[in-house]
Amino acid sequence: AQTVTQSQPEMSVQEAETVTLSCTYDTSESDYYLFWYKQPPSRQMILVIRQEAYKQQNATENRFSVNFQKAAKSFSLKISDSQLGDAAMYFCAYRSAGWNSGGSNYKLTFGKGTLLTVNP
Amino acid sequence: NAGVTQTPKFRILKIGQSMTLQCAQDMNHNYMYWYRQDPGMGLKLIYYSVGAGITDKGEVPNGYNVSRSTTEDFPLRLELAAPSQTSVYFCASNRQNSGYTFGSGTRLTVV
Repeated sequence: AQTVTQSQPEMSVQEAETVTLSCTYDTSESDYYLFWYKQPPSRQMILVIRQEAYKQQNATENRFSVNFQKAAKSFSLKISDSQLGDAAMYFCAYRSAGWNSGGSNYKLTFGKGTLLTVNP
Repeated sequence: NAGVTQTPKFRILKIGQSMTLQCAQDMNHNYMYWYRQDPGMGLKLIYYSVGAGITDKGEVPNGYNVSRSTTEDFPLRLELAAPSQTSVYFCASNRQNSGYTFGSGTRLTVV
């Protein structure tokens, strides 16, 4: 079974600065997807960024980028020019890319989350 | 707006009571999921469905039941509520290779 580990329960950053959130995972599969989700106090789960394991290029979405190290099974999230609205719980998640008839490969496995505080 | 709709948003149950958490999506997604989120933990899968009439257990199915009579709806049933079921419940859906759409969650307290 796959596992996802986020070793930083809490992080803080000054507004306009850069912060990196860590995530490692364990899998025997070669093809999979990795995600970062943001959960603000509203509880809504918001997709921040997605990475396909077969792509060597790191995904980027505006101020959010990842450092995907497949051999090391590491998937960190970098937030540049941090804003007050970035304050939230951030979850790293894994999903298999292969298909099986039961469909269980499409479930997400989540880490425990990192609570990010942005200081003005 | 299209998406995943969960009802209710909040609920307090007494031990031993039963209830159904409703989930509906209007995106014609095949796959639907129920997750629970406990404090300080990530989301854990309770049940999932790959299409109407097909459901299967996730990591933490005990104390819950689901049904999927239509593509749109995926209700989660709690029988004999217990304090250990106090949690935030999320419904989600997706197509085979698309991203997930989550509902806004249901906060359930069992007292």
